Amino acid sequence: DAGVTQSPTHLIKTRGQHVTLRCSPISGHKSVSWYQQVLGQGPQFIFQYYEKEERGRGNFPDRFSARQFPNYSSELNVNALLLGDSALYLCASSLVEQSPLHFGNGTRLTVT
Amino acid sequence: GIQVEQSPPDLILQEGANSTLRCNFSDSVNNLQWFHQNPWGQLINLFYIPSGTKQNGRLSATTVATERYSLLYISSSQTTDSGVYFCAVEPGSNYQLIWGAGTKLIIKP
Repeated sequence: DAGVTQSPTHLIKTRGQHVTLRCSPISGHKSVSWYQQVLGQGPQFIFQYYEKEERGRGNFPDRFSARQFPNYSSELNVNALLLGDSALYLCASSLVEQSPLHFGNGTRLTVT
Repeated sequence: GIQVEQSPPDLILQEGANSTLRCNFSDSVNNLQWFHQNPWGQLINLFYIPSGTKQNGRLSATTVATERYSLLYISSSQTTDSGVYFCAVEPGSNYQLIWGAGTKLIIKP
């Protein structure tokens, strides 16, 4: 079975632009989470969705939004990009809530 | 909020050596997971271990929830074990994981 897939793998954007990151969970997994990882640090929680409902939101500004589709895939949107948004964005899926997380390879976002 | 501390921050070992990585957390948690991030950035789930002991090949983990710590044991280290090992805990009902700063492990051939 395919693992968690994320697209694109790399992205370069200019300050003020908007970006959409995509994630397909492992088949059968109903929960998707998004994390931001800055170089040298552990991942920071952004959102968690389960059965298409937002179940958790981390300490990120409203410029960050996400949604989960009926096929359980997910999008993370970031508006009005700032230089500080440059990071590795990781998507993880799990079978249900409170079960092992499985991560995709991430999207490396660079904001110039 | 809950604090997650990992030790040591860095560890350099020769191939074949054994190691113990520690994760302390400041409050009760619903679950705890260990991850390995390889040098290419890929995060692999090693253990889902809210309590007790689990083993997977050369790796094993023990969580003592009542004393708020977890240990990851790596035996007979290989160069492919290099990378950063993260401990992450779920403190409550909002399903987010709080991560430690990681232990950077370098295995020399």
